[in-house]
Amino acid sequence: NAGVTQTPKFRILKIGQSMTLQCTQDMNHNYMYWYRQDPGMGLKLIYYSVGAGITDKGEVPNGYNVSRSTTEDFPLRLELAAPSQTSVYFCASSSRRAQPQHFGDGTRLSIL
Amino acid sequence: DQQVKQNSPSLSVQEGRISILNCDYTNSMFDYFLWYKKYPAEGPTFLISISSIKDKNEDGRFTVFLNKSAKHLSLHIVPSQPGDSAVYFCAAAYQGAQKLVFGQGTRLTINP
Repeated sequence: NAGVTQTPKFRILKIGQSMTLQCTQDMNHNYMYWYRQDPGMGLKLIYYSVGAGITDKGEVPNGYNVSRSTTEDFPLRLELAAPSQTSVYFCASSSRRAQPQHFGDGTRLSIL
Repeated sequence: DQQVKQNSPSLSVQEGRISILNCDYTNSMFDYFLWYKKYPAEGPTFLISISSIKDKNEDGRFTVFLNKSAKHLSLHIVPSQPGDSAVYFCAAAYQGAQKLVFGQGTRLTINP
């Protein structure tokens, strides 16, 4: 059972570069989420989606974009990478509102 | 504004004894609470949850207690085992909200 799959696991970017973090889930969950976790901090919600074609901002959306064209996929786009975006990024999904979320193993991103 | 707080960054417990992890919240509209466990280089995994209509929920060695008047919840692990060493996050959601709010996490270390 794959669950939530994130790629890549690690990435180093230069300031100003762009990239897309991929997230796919095979549980047919409507709700999907992107979080970032900084050292010693909890998870901060970046964006979330309640179904294909519907996305909304979380606590820390600046510098990121998302799209949800299918139920399975929820990519996160960084357009102009900044050192403040160095973090571990987690994607999650759930079947219903506030139900336990299933997390991927994260993408560790460094911006230098 | 930190709506969900875990004031102890770390906790060390002897194997076989009880581990008690604490979490405080400020938003009285929260009605659903969860605990997640996280190992290094992995995503958080759901452990146990409790609805605000209950004050206790048990699952094997794990029990969550909710004190609504004090806006406080706790996770008890009895008996503690070496495999319980991890970071524990509490999270909360309120009715109608699509998302969870996470605490900063507590690192639990079980000593043999």
